[in-house]
Amino acid sequence: AQSVAQPEDQVNVAEGNPLTVKCTYSVSGNPYLFWYVQYPNRGLQFLLKYITGDNLVKGSYGFEAEFNKSQTSFHLKKPSALVSDSALYFCAVRDGGNAGNMLTFGGGTRLMVKP
Amino acid sequence: GAGVSQTPSNKVTEKGKYVELRCDPISGHTALYWYRQSLGQGPEFLIYFQGTGAADDSGLPNDRFFAVRPEGSVSTLKIQRTERGDSAVYLCASSSLAGNTGELFFGEGSRLTVL
Repeated sequence: AQSVAQPEDQVNVAEGNPLTVKCTYSVSGNPYLFWYVQYPNRGLQFLLKYITGDNLVKGSYGFEAEFNKSQTSFHLKKPSALVSDSALYFCAVRDGGNAGNMLTFGGGTRLMVKP
Repeated sequence: GAGVSQTPSNKVTEKGKYVELRCDPISGHTALYWYRQSLGQGPEFLIYFQGTGAADDSGLPNDRFFAVRPEGSVSTLKIQRTERGDSAVYLCASSSLAGNTGELFFGEGSRLTVL
C-alpha cells in the first residue's frame, strides 16, 4: 500500500516571502514523487517530479522540492511567493518498482499568497 | 490533440439514471487513468488502462462503475443507476509510461452532479 499525507489544509504567506508546502509519503518500493497544482475549475498541472538522483528537484514556475529519504518527505518550496501562486497543491507518490502502478495523491494544501 | 480532452465538462442527472463520461488522451499515450475528485479532497484512483485492457480496476467503488477503451485511445467511464454520492469531478489522465517515470497529464475533468 502507498499513501501521502499533506498535514496542512492551508498555508498562508505574504508575497515575496519564501513558502513551504509539506508532504510525507509511505511506499514499499522506491518512491517516485510528484507535485501538481490545481487552479479553480481546472485540471491538475504537473510541477515537478523526483525519480532518482539529486535530492533537490527544480520545476515549473520557480518551484523546487527536496526529497528526504530518512524523513520520507518531499516538501515543495519557493524562495519568493507570488500572488499568482495561490492555488491547490497536491503531492503524489507511486511505487517505482511496480510497472504501471497508479499515482496516489494526498488530500491537497491550499496556498494563499497575500499582497 | 494537444492535451487530454474530457466531455462533457458538466453533467447534471437524476438519481437512478445512466451516465457516460468520455476521455480523449494525448495522442500516442498508451496509459490512461480515471480518477474521482470530491470537493475538498485529493483525486482518488478508479481504473488504469494499458492499451485496450484494464490493468488495474481496484479503485472502482462498486459494480455500477465500468470503463472501456476498445481501441486503445478514447475511453468511456460508465456509471449505472447513479446515486447522489457519485457527484464529483471525474478526471482523466494519460501518460507515455516511460519506464514508469512519466508524469500524468490531466484533462480538466467532467463535473457530475446527481440530483
